Amino acid sequence: DAGVTQSPTHLIKTRGQHVTLRCSPISGHKSVSWYQQVLGQGPQFIFQYYEKEERGRGNFPDRFSARQFPNYSSELNVNALLLGDSALYLCASSLVPHNEKLFFGSGTQLSVL
Amino acid sequence: AQRVTQPEKLLSVFKGAPVELKCNYSYSGSPELFWYVQYSRQRLQLLLRHISRESIKGFTADLNKGETSFHLKKPFAQEEDSAMYYCALIGSNTGKLIFGQGTTLQVKP
Repeated sequence: DAGVTQSPTHLIKTRGQHVTLRCSPISGHKSVSWYQQVLGQGPQFIFQYYEKEERGRGNFPDRFSARQFPNYSSELNVNALLLGDSALYLCASSLVPHNEKLFFGSGTQLSVL
Repeated sequence: AQRVTQPEKLLSVFKGAPVELKCNYSYSGSPELFWYVQYSRQRLQLLLRHISRESIKGFTADLNKGETSFHLKKPFAQEEDSAMYYCALIGSNTGKLIFGQGTTLQVKP
């Protein structure tokens, strides 16, 4: 099993653009969560999805959105990028939503210029 | 407010010395507390959780509700313990993990 996979690994965008980040959970895991990690800080919760439905949302603006597909993979979309959106975006999967044993991907490093 | 605080950005010790990584939390309710670890060039992974009261790689952590703390301890540090350590909590009936800022543990030979 390859574990949680995220693509792309690195991305460079300019202000105002939009971006789509992708995540494939571990086989059998139905819950996917997204976290933003700014340099020097711990990960911050953005979204959690389970069975294609949003189960939780962190304190992020509406420019951030996500969805989960029937195969449990997920996309995170960010519109109207700001410089402050530059961060490592982590995806984590678990069997069920309230499960502290999260398996993290390696992340997508987003740089906004 | 729900918050996890790790007061030390960097903790540097010599091999064989005791280690204590501090973690304090603020949460109205009964949270579950965890320690996650990220070794160099590896993914973030769960180290231990307070519910299981286990010892992993020689590390233990005791939840002190009175002091709202969940410090991570190891009696004798090893060089391979060098990593970034994150304390985290999860609220009841939520899947939202709240992380602290992280502490880099550096174990010198």
